[in-house]
Amino acid sequence: EADIYQTPRYLVIGTGKKITLECSQTMGHDKMYWYQQDPGMELHLIHYSYGVNSTEKGDLSSESTVSRIRTEHFPLTLESARPSHTSQYLCASRPGTAIGEQYFGPGTRLTVT
Amino acid sequence: GQNIDQPTEMTATEGAIVQINCTYQTSGFNGLFWYQQHAGEAPTFLSYNVLDGLEEKGRFSSFLSRSKGYSYLLLKELQMKDSASYLCAVIKAAGNKLTFGGGTRVLVKP
Repeated sequence: EADIYQTPRYLVIGTGKKITLECSQTMGHDKMYWYQQDPGMELHLIHYSYGVNSTEKGDLSSESTVSRIRTEHFPLTLESARPSHTSQYLCASRPGTAIGEQYFGPGTRLTVT
Repeated sequence: GQNIDQPTEMTATEGAIVQINCTYQTSGFNGLFWYQQHAGEAPTFLSYNVLDGLEEKGRFSSFLSRSKGYSYLLLKELQMKDSASYLCAVIKAAGNKLTFGGGTRVLVKP
């Protein structure tokens, strides 16, 4: 079983609020990822990190930002939430080797009203 | 870039076999993953292929042909709980990120 956690699992928040979605893993994985997924739609990579102090933007442009100060922690922040940010956000991690399996967290379902 | 194509939806009967195809175009190929995702849940790992051939794991098998840029996931003895989306994902030699296809939604009927 994967040891990767996300909080909160569900969040309903008003427009303009600042939010941080938490993601932590206890597997010591170097690589971590954030995906955005609408119901029934494909996964879109929005951010990833190769290791501490390394972050990159993904394939889908996002107004969110991320940080990687510790190996186990990869939070995602929205400075000012909008209804268009309503989606499911999935965090994932992989070991540093090229062929390591990628594990997903349970996801955060965000609704911005 | 990477193009990954898989059918959008498939329907099959409980107890039957279903084959989900995935074709890809990429440079520096370093492996292909299959994930299962139930509605509203996170994807879970099913298989990984990096060499040509068939990998069998219980009721699920995955096949890869690197020369053809082709893979399939075979689900045997289908059960109702197999109703889910199945995601094909490719990783390049640099190994930093997976690129996912759009997923194939499989509906198992009694």
